[in-house]
Amino acid sequence: GENVEQHPSTLSVQEGDSAVIKCTYSDSASNYFPWYKQELGKRPQLIIDIRSNVGEKKDQRIAVTLNKTAKHFSLHITETQPEDSAVYFCAASDSGGGADGLTFGKGTHLIIQP
Amino acid sequence: DSGVTQTPKHLITATGQRVTLRCSPRSGDLSVYWYQQSLDQGLQFLIQYYNGEERAKGNILERFSAQQFPDLHSELNLSSLELGDSALYFCASSPTVGISYEQYFGPGTRLTVT
Repeated sequence: GENVEQHPSTLSVQEGDSAVIKCTYSDSASNYFPWYKQELGKRPQLIIDIRSNVGEKKDQRIAVTLNKTAKHFSLHITETQPEDSAVYFCAASDSGGGADGLTFGKGTHLIIQP
Repeated sequence: DSGVTQTPKHLITATGQRVTLRCSPRSGDLSVYWYQQSLDQGLQFLIQYYNGEERAKGNILERFSAQQFPDLHSELNLSSLELGDSALYFCASSPTVGISYEQYFGPGTRLTVT
């Protein structure tokens, strides 16, 4: 089955700086890669996603890049703000096989220092 | 608010007992997914239903089962509970399968087994 590795486990950046979180996946059939943000005690919230036919996608301060050859994808947050502090999860799924359950990375605790 | 509802919010029970968690998907969504989140295992996909039929299985124990009813709400049944079953259980929904539509998570049910 799919295996998703996520790094780093903790990331501390100064407010206003950029943050980058990286993930690798093992199953070359995976074709959908969402990112979720989870605040303490809350539900995971979808913030951006990318499909395998696209190399990059941007939504305001958030961008995701995908390298299918290397099987890795990254989340980029620019001009970080205190409200960006949370745990971020990457995930992958293979919709082609009909099983749409997501395989998640272990999460990155992003800390924005004022 | 994702539009996905889950009840109850909290559940405290004893080892060996059986509990039922309930999920109502977003209006119009046909697919329901169940996930378990614990400190040691992270976010894990358990099972998926689409329009009343089981679609995919993940890391679901034999003591656990689920079903989706004609009104599309779903229930996750956990039996012979063990201390290690203590976790946050999330339900997510998406419009359909085949194409990886976005999955939106409910607020979760926190299960504590004592």
